Amino acid sequence: EIVLTQSPGTLSLSPGERATLSCRASQSVSSNSLAWYQQKPGQAPRLLIYGASSRATGIPDRFSGSGSETDFTLTISRLEPEDFAVYYCQQYGTSPPMCSFGQGTKLEIK
Amino acid sequence: QVQLVQSGPEVKKPGASVKVSCKTSGYPFTNYFLHWVRQAPGQGLEWMGWINSHSGGTEAAQTFQDRITMTRDTSISTAYMELSRLTSDDTAVYYCARLSTSSPPYWGQGTLVTVSS
Repeated sequence: EIVLTQSPGTLSLSPGERATLSCRASQSVSSNSLAWYQQKPGQAPRLLIYGASSRATGIPDRFSGSGSETDFTLTISRLEPEDFAVYYCQQYGTSPPMCSFGQGTKLEIK
Repeated sequence: QVQLVQSGPEVKKPGASVKVSCKTSGYPFTNYFLHWVRQAPGQGLEWMGWINSHSGGTEAAQTFQDRITMTRDTSISTAYMELSRLTSDDTAVYYCARLSTSSPPYWGQGTLVTVSS
């Protein structure tokens, strides 16, 4: 089982600042099987990034993903008020088609 | 367009079972595995297992291996997840998701299952 560890647990920033969220895997993950989600209270997770760096449909370009093997990063270039939420990374393989999630990073307003 | 539409909310008593459906459209059903994920109130996302929509083969996370049954009906492009011996800890939103390395993930809207006496 691949364990994903996200850091920090909580990130306190102000609108307009840059946010950098980390996701570290316990073993190498294929780049085309790493995704990032945003979740707000009472809502389903919203896909932001898939394939480590591809933005999902309708996602603003201030969101970007990068990384490979065991270290992945979600960057929000300039925080908007609506970006304050919980963010999860996810890996999903094909052989076998397993899946796991990080524990989440809460992005809060400073 | 790809859609996964789940069944409605459920309220169950402890010890009962619940069966959640996930009706898919917009793609060849048997070409993709479907996964089940849940999220308890205030908690993170927890992977439960997958079903091979073509063969019907399944694999479950160890936590659920003795309580989960995943099936599918290819004639109506629908997958099912049944969880037995429910306790209050099983109160959660349950999601189906199509996960593939060749396309973006797609998720159902979620099904709230409440376990209460």
